[in-house]
Amino acid sequence: NAGVMQNPRHLVRRRGQEARLRCSPMKGHSHVYWYRQLPEEGLKFMVYLQKENIIDESGMPKERFSAEFPKEGPSILRIQQVVRGDSAAYFCASSPPGNRGFSEQYFGPGTRLTVT
Amino acid sequence: AQSVAQPEDQVNVAEGNPLTVKCTYSVSGNPYLFWYVQYPNRGLQFLLKYITGDNLVKGSYGFEAEFNKSQTSFHLKKPSALVSDSALYFCAVRDTSYGNNRLAFGKGNQVVVIP
Repeated sequence: NAGVMQNPRHLVRRRGQEARLRCSPMKGHSHVYWYRQLPEEGLKFMVYLQKENIIDESGMPKERFSAEFPKEGPSILRIQQVVRGDSAAYFCASSPPGNRGFSEQYFGPGTRLTVT
Repeated sequence: AQSVAQPEDQVNVAEGNPLTVKCTYSVSGNPYLFWYVQYPNRGLQFLLKYITGDNLVKGSYGFEAEFNKSQTSFHLKKPSALVSDSALYFCAVRDTSYGNNRLAFGKGNQVVVIP
């Protein structure tokens, strides 16, 4: 059973470009979470999605950032017009169906975004 | 909001000695607590969790954690540390203030096991 897949693993963008980060959850998982890890900091929640629904995006910046989890295909975190402050590691996690707060989340290897 | 605190930045321990990584929590209601480990340039790996039941929780790779309600703590322990345990350790709590399963993480503790 493959784990959470993320691609690309490393992404370099120039200021003003767009970044698209992809996440495929574990098989059978229908909940996806995105977290951001800045250097020397812990992980900060960004957005929580289920298939075709954004459940909680309160951790995501209001501008330039968007996320989706379509019926078919991976979840996408999109950052428009990237700035240097967006440089970070972006982690996706997934958990099984049902709103079970005791389920652990399984993390992907992350995408390391560098904005030059 | 729910939160966890990891008071130490780095924990140094000699190989073979007991390892303890500290975590305290602040929640309203019942806490759902988790420990994760992160190796360099890797994602987080789940170690163990406390939901309910026994205060001593056993997890992966010989780790265990003790839930202490009176001290609001959930310290991670290993009786005999290995060099390969050198990594970044995160404590997390389910942030129920948002009514979903999002996790609130501590800032992490770097563990260095000295051969």
